[in-house]
Amino acid sequence: DSGVTQTPKHLITATGQRVTLRCSPRSGDLSVYWYQQSLDQGLQFLIHYYNGEERAKGNILERFSAQQFPDLHSELNLSSLELGDSALYFCASSTGGLGETQYFGPGTRLLVL
Amino acid sequence: QQQVKQSPQSLIVQKGGISIINCAYENTAFDYFPWYQQFPGKGPALLIAIRPDVSEKKEGRFTISFNKSAKQFSLHIMDSQPGDSATYFCAASERGAGNMLTFGGGTRLMVKP
Repeated sequence: DSGVTQTPKHLITATGQRVTLRCSPRSGDLSVYWYQQSLDQGLQFLIHYYNGEERAKGNILERFSAQQFPDLHSELNLSSLELGDSALYFCASSTGGLGETQYFGPGTRLLVL
Repeated sequence: QQQVKQSPQSLIVQKGGISIINCAYENTAFDYFPWYQQFPGKGPALLIAIRPDVSEKKEGRFTISFNKSAKQFSLHIMDSQPGDSATYFCAASERGAGNMLTFGGGTRLMVKP
């Protein structure tokens, strides 16, 4: 158990809908990273937050957004969902600063029908 | 994102054998190279990591070899066990770019008893 929690574990929704994925980092970790894992694209970095502020963006679609709250949990919002958004979404946390080790949560499996 | 290329895509090894997975990268600014192990339905878990100032790091049966001039690094699993059967991902990150991980495509390892 990495100490990172993600909810929900599974999510089934329809095209055009909006969903919110939630992540709670390890106790004391200030950085939260979101990654998408799909069969065709592999594991891809989406976005990084550190202590409430956005630090870096990867190949994240404009339909996707994220935020990190004062209690350090983070939410990834996916809107206008398409079939191709079906994937595993992982959150990872680290201490931030010079701490590179990222600890991954169990993921949320999103299926868009 | 800069690429990290991983090979082979799949690997079958007999119990007790050596499993070798290779990765190559392009971005010379990468300064942290972790390997993650992922079991079905789980998030990636950090296995071992290396920085470019050392050429080899060993932890138990797992060894990373790093060749900075060739921009290559590899994972060796000695005395491979059926419990090692999983998907392995190499990754790389750059401290100055927010530590986001760029992953290789993954290697599915099967260790036959």
